[in-house]
Amino acid sequence: AQTVTQSQPEMSVQEAETVTLSCTYDTSENNYYLFWYKQPPSRQMILVIRQEAYKQQNATENRFSVNFQKAAKSFSLKISDSQLGDTAMYFCALGGSEKLVFGKGTKLTVNP
Amino acid sequence: DSGVTQTPKHLITATGQRVTLRCSPRSGDLSVYWYQQSLDQGLQFLIQYYNGEERAKGNILERFSAQQFPDLHSELNLSSLELGDSALYFCASSVVGGVSSYNEQFFGPGTRLTVL
Repeated sequence: AQTVTQSQPEMSVQEAETVTLSCTYDTSENNYYLFWYKQPPSRQMILVIRQEAYKQQNATENRFSVNFQKAAKSFSLKISDSQLGDTAMYFCALGGSEKLVFGKGTKLTVNP
Repeated sequence: DSGVTQTPKHLITATGQRVTLRCSPRSGDLSVYWYQQSLDQGLQFLIQYYNGEERAKGNILERFSAQQFPDLHSELNLSSLELGDSALYFCASSVVGGVSSYNEQFFGPGTRLTVL
């Protein structure tokens, strides 16, 4: 079975600072993908960043980057220069051949 | 805008009733996925269809069923509704849905179901 664990239910950060959200996972599949989704108060699920497990290089998308540690099955999200619009629930997700398995989420609040 | 549409946005109904949620995938996407987001269970995968055929099943109750039509839109049918079925139901779509395929899923805005 595939599992995803986000150990931080809530986090807060000051505007312009950097914050890291943690995620660990477990899977027996060799081909898989990892994702971070953002869910703002509007409830829309927005893909923030993705990482192919076969790639060693960490993915980066503007202010968002990941630290992918395959052996440790860890996939953390770093948000640099935090903005008020980053306030949202963040879900780590593991995608294999079929479905996405989500963690319980981390509620991030960016304070002015 | 992800390109995935879901109707209705909100649905309020009573226990014991039956409802149908509709999803239209992005143009060109063959796979449709249904997820349920509730406060206590988080985001849970329900079922996947690929080009009209059921591909994978998750934690979907027997009271729930789904189908994907020739035009690739999908419907999720929920029957004998209970209070605990109140949740946000998401549809997502992707281009393909097979082993070793790139599996990026694009989510619709969701349908909020309230069972009274």
